Amino acid sequence: SQKIEQNSEALNIQEGKTATLTCNYTNYSPAYLQWYRQDPGRGPVFLLLIRENEKEKRKERLKVTFDTTLKQSLFHITASQPADSATYLCALTNNAGNMLTFGGGTRLMVKP
Amino acid sequence: GAGVSQSPSNKVTEKGKDVELRCDPISGHTALYWYRQRLGQGLEFLIYFQGNSAPDKSGLPSDRFSAERTGESVSTLTIQRTQQEDSAVYLCASSLLLRGSRNGYTFGSGTRLTVV
Repeated sequence: SQKIEQNSEALNIQEGKTATLTCNYTNYSPAYLQWYRQDPGRGPVFLLLIRENEKEKRKERLKVTFDTTLKQSLFHITASQPADSATYLCALTNNAGNMLTFGGGTRLMVKP
Repeated sequence: GAGVSQSPSNKVTEKGKDVELRCDPISGHTALYWYRQRLGQGLEFLIYFQGNSAPDKSGLPSDRFSAERTGESVSTLTIQRTQQEDSAVYLCASSLLLRGSRNGYTFGSGTRLTVV
């Protein structure tokens, strides 16, 4: 069955360091992959989208890679700040584009 | 409106009662989605609407769940004969295109449903 896996354990890092979050998927041929940020009590907020034919996408301090051979996406936050503390969700859309399926999310804690 | 609006923000209901949740998408967004998020878990797809096409109801967990959307405007998610396992946050999202856009999907803040 289709599965999207994100590390369920919280990631704790020191302010200023680079945070790297992983998203792995199986039995899926996504057309594109998205990353969202979710704060407690709020809905997810869109961050970045990367298409299957793109290897890397950047936006300010964020960088996403997409390896369709490894079936993996890495999400990096450089020069992390305490304000970056949140849960980060990856989501995949198939070629039909009719459903966005989410991973369980990884909680990031950036300590000052 | 400027964002996706959901109401009520919180709803406490007795087991067996029916509830109706409302979503106002961003004006002009043709696609609308409903997701459920149980405490500490990821988002579970429920249903999506695209324009006047038949909705994809493949994620609805039982026939107690139903949803409607009038054209490209407001959507309501109805849960009949609520059970305690229905307790969750129900999130609505909208986007310009069925396949999403460079701006992804825009989510509301959700309705927190508690069945007692």
